[in-house]
Amino acid sequence: NAGVMQNPRHLVRRRGQEARLRCSPMKGHSHVYWYRQLPEEGLKFMVYLQKENIIDESGMPKERFSAEFPKEGPSILRIQQVVRGDSAAYFCASSQSTADNSPLHFGNGTRLTVT
Amino acid sequence: EDKVVQSPLSLVVHEGDTVTLNCSYEVTNFRSLLWYKQEKKAPTFLFMLTSSGIEKKSGRLSSILDKKELFSILNITATQTGDSAVYLCAVVGGGSNYKLTFGKGTLLTVNP
Repeated sequence: NAGVMQNPRHLVRRRGQEARLRCSPMKGHSHVYWYRQLPEEGLKFMVYLQKENIIDESGMPKERFSAEFPKEGPSILRIQQVVRGDSAAYFCASSQSTADNSPLHFGNGTRLTVT
Repeated sequence: EDKVVQSPLSLVVHEGDTVTLNCSYEVTNFRSLLWYKQEKKAPTFLFMLTSSGIEKKSGRLSSILDKKELFSILNITATQTGDSAVYLCAVVGGGSNYKLTFGKGTLLTVNP
């Protein structure tokens, strides 16, 4: 039973380019979450999605960032016109439900470096 | 704003030692507290605690929650070098039943 799969593991982009981060949830999980980990900081919630729906994007910057979880295929976190401050580790997590006994399982993350 | 504070920030011990990691929190409408172990990749789920005073145990690791004093501890007995990692504490609350608020973690180094 594969865990949460994220790719790429490492991504280098120049300022102004676009970054696309992909996440396939664990089998049987329909809830996907994206978190960002800045250097020396804790993981911070960005967005929560179910298939074809954004449920909560309260932690996502209003500009340049978008997320989707289409009916088929992985969830995508898209960052347009990247800036140096976007350099971070981006973790995707999934869960079976939002019940209190359904913990989040994380992927290995994508480490984005903006040069 | 929900807040999770972990202490110590870092800890160096020798193999065989017992360690206690601390996590205190301030959150409205608390639902659960979770511990994760993060090596240089995915945070790996350890425990989820929802009730006070009930110890959760897995091998050499155990954890307990005190909802009155708003803290949790994670104990690791007979530490091994493979226990070296960042241990993350997170809480769910604040009107959400899914949003985790994380502490900054405790970096544990176990030397042979």
